[in-house]
Amino acid sequence: NAGVTQTPKFRVLKTGQSMTLLCAQDMNHEYMYWYRQDPGMGLRLIHYSVGEGTTAKGEVPDGYNVSRLKKQNFLLGLESAAPSQTSVYFCASSPRGVEAFFGQGTRLTVV
Amino acid sequence: KQEVTQIPAALSVPEGENLVLNCSFTDSAIYNLQWFRQDPGKGLTSLLLIQSSQREQTSGRLNASLDKSSGRSTLYIAASQPGDSATYLCAVRRSNFGNEKLTFGTGTRLTIIP
Repeated sequence: NAGVTQTPKFRVLKTGQSMTLLCAQDMNHEYMYWYRQDPGMGLRLIHYSVGEGTTAKGEVPDGYNVSRLKKQNFLLGLESAAPSQTSVYFCASSPRGVEAFFGQGTRLTVV
Repeated sequence: KQEVTQIPAALSVPEGENLVLNCSFTDSAIYNLQWFRQDPGKGLTSLLLIQSSQREQTSGRLNASLDKSSGRSTLYIAASQPGDSATYLCAVRRSNFGNEKLTFGTGTRLTIIP
């Protein structure tokens, strides 16, 4: 049982480039989330989804887009990367209202 | 807006000691609270989940308590070991009605001294 898998694990982008981070879960969870973790800031919610085909904004959604076309996948897109988006990105999933499970993270550097 | 605070930010204790990590939150209308462990450069590992109707949960040497009315939770670690060294995060979930996002504290970095 793989749990929550994030792809890629590391990436370096140039300012203005675009990329997509993929999160896949095999636990049939309804809810999926994207967080970013920055030193001294804790984890902050970017976007989340309460089911296939739905998405909603979190605390820090600007500069990001998401899609949940399939229940098991939640994609996070950066259309035009900025140095301020250098961070570690975590995906999580949970059944409704119960324990959340996290992926191993994607370390993104924008130069 | 829910705010979650963990004090202290860092803690060092000798191996074998019992210790308590603290978590406080401003809005007591929570659905549950979850404690995580994060090792350097790694993801978050769930340790314990406490529902709002519960007072405590135990797993091995770990015991988490919840006092919802006062906005506090503690994580008790018995007989600490060097392998317990990590950052410990608490997170609260506000509701169970379609808006169930976790709000995190900034964590306590725990070092167990051999």
